[in-house]
Amino acid sequence: EDKVVQSPLSLVVHEGDTVTLNCSYEVTNFRSLLWYKQEKKAPTFLFMLTSSGIEKKSGRLSSILDKKELFSILNITATQTGDSAVYLCAVGVSTSGTYKYIFGTGTRLKVLA
Amino acid sequence: DGGITQSPKYLFRKEGQNVTLSCEQNLNHDAMYWYRQDPGQGLRLIYYSQIVNDFQKGDIAEGYSVSREKKESFPLTVTSAQKNPTAFYLCASSVYRGYNNEQFFGPGTRLTVL
Repeated sequence: EDKVVQSPLSLVVHEGDTVTLNCSYEVTNFRSLLWYKQEKKAPTFLFMLTSSGIEKKSGRLSSILDKKELFSILNITATQTGDSAVYLCAVGVSTSGTYKYIFGTGTRLKVLA
Repeated sequence: DGGITQSPKYLFRKEGQNVTLSCEQNLNHDAMYWYRQDPGQGLRLIYYSQIVNDFQKGDIAEGYSVSREKKESFPLTVTSAQKNPTAFYLCASSVYRGYNNEQFFGPGTRLTVL
């Protein structure tokens, strides 16, 4: 059975701290790994990773994928209260000619002022 | 403006009633997806569709039904057979060809069964 596991489940930090969120997976026919930020309603897209070892970066956020060890990390440096959200990891898999995404349970990040 | 719309935003239903959640997209995406999210949990896949007139069951399809008669529309019916339907429902779409594409999400519908 395909599985995506995120850790930690929740995290409380102070503004300015750096955090690392983890996503490990066990799936058949891996195609991509995506990170989303969900504040109150719809998740918003952060990154899509398909190749090992290539860091994707956007401002204070960065992410990297390790396809050998089957995990990805999302780093947030110099955290701000606006970073408080649930961060979701999703893995895209292809199966019998179709394509779907399997989500982890998310990491709830709270950044204190 | 291109995007995905879901309606209604909030929905209340009595036990034993079927309800239909709307999802429309004008992004010209081939693939559409329905997810359910419960408090403190991630997204679980209900149904998905890669092309018109074709759809597949996800991990938790029991008690739900869908149709895909038009590329732009993918309505979800929550039937009375769904034992615990109170949840937040998210619709998403993506470009199908080429596989590696991000999903775009609608704003969601929060369903409460009274």
